[in-house]
Amino acid sequence: EIVLTQSPGTLSLSPGERVTLSCRASQSVSSSYLAWYQQKPGQAPRLLIYGESSRATGIPDRFSGSGSGTDFTLTISRLEPEDFAVYYCQQYGASPWTFGQGTKVEI
Amino acid sequence: EVELVESGGGLVQPGGSLRLYCGASGFTFSSYTMNWVRQAPGKGLEWVSLANGGSTTIYYAGSVKGRFTISRDNAKNSLYLQMNSLRDEDTAVYYCAKGWGHFDNWGQGTLVTVSS
Repeated sequence: EIVLTQSPGTLSLSPGERVTLSCRASQSVSSSYLAWYQQKPGQAPRLLIYGESSRATGIPDRFSGSGSGTDFTLTISRLEPEDFAVYYCQQYGASPWTFGQGTKVEI
Repeated sequence: EVELVESGGGLVQPGGSLRLYCGASGFTFSSYTMNWVRQAPGKGLEWVSLANGGSTTIYYAGSVKGRFTISRDNAKNSLYLQMNSLRDEDTAVYYCAKGWGHFDNWGQGTLVTVSS
């Protein structure tokens, strides 16, 4: 099974800042089958990015994904107050699909 | 608008069984792979199982294989998860989620608590 390791565990930031979240895979993720989700307390996760860099429907362009192989990045160009949440990466290149442990972005 | 609504969660003793249900609307259910994903209290996400539209492809996470069974009824736009031999570590919110690989729509989840 592919293990995803996210870093850092927690980020303390202010609105307006640029954020870079890292996701490293234990082996190469096939065809960049990598997704990112946002989860707020008490809510279901929301798909942000899939196929490594495609934005899901309705996701603002301040969110972007990049990377390949074993190293992937989610970038938020300018933090908005509603962006404070936990972010998960997920690979679906090989079964079982697996998630990273999450990065919390807090004020 | 896509809507996924789970139900069937509750308190069950270790070794017991429970059947979860997910009702779908707003899309052609039979055309999409459906999944169960769970989240233990205060923890991260764990994919549990998937069934493609025709139920010809079914996968399970190793942690539930042999104990859980996913099924679907396309005529009723419904997804199910039969959970047997439940363990303490199965305690989680269980979400149904639409999509092959990545999950573009999620339900609100149903809480399963395994405890004596």
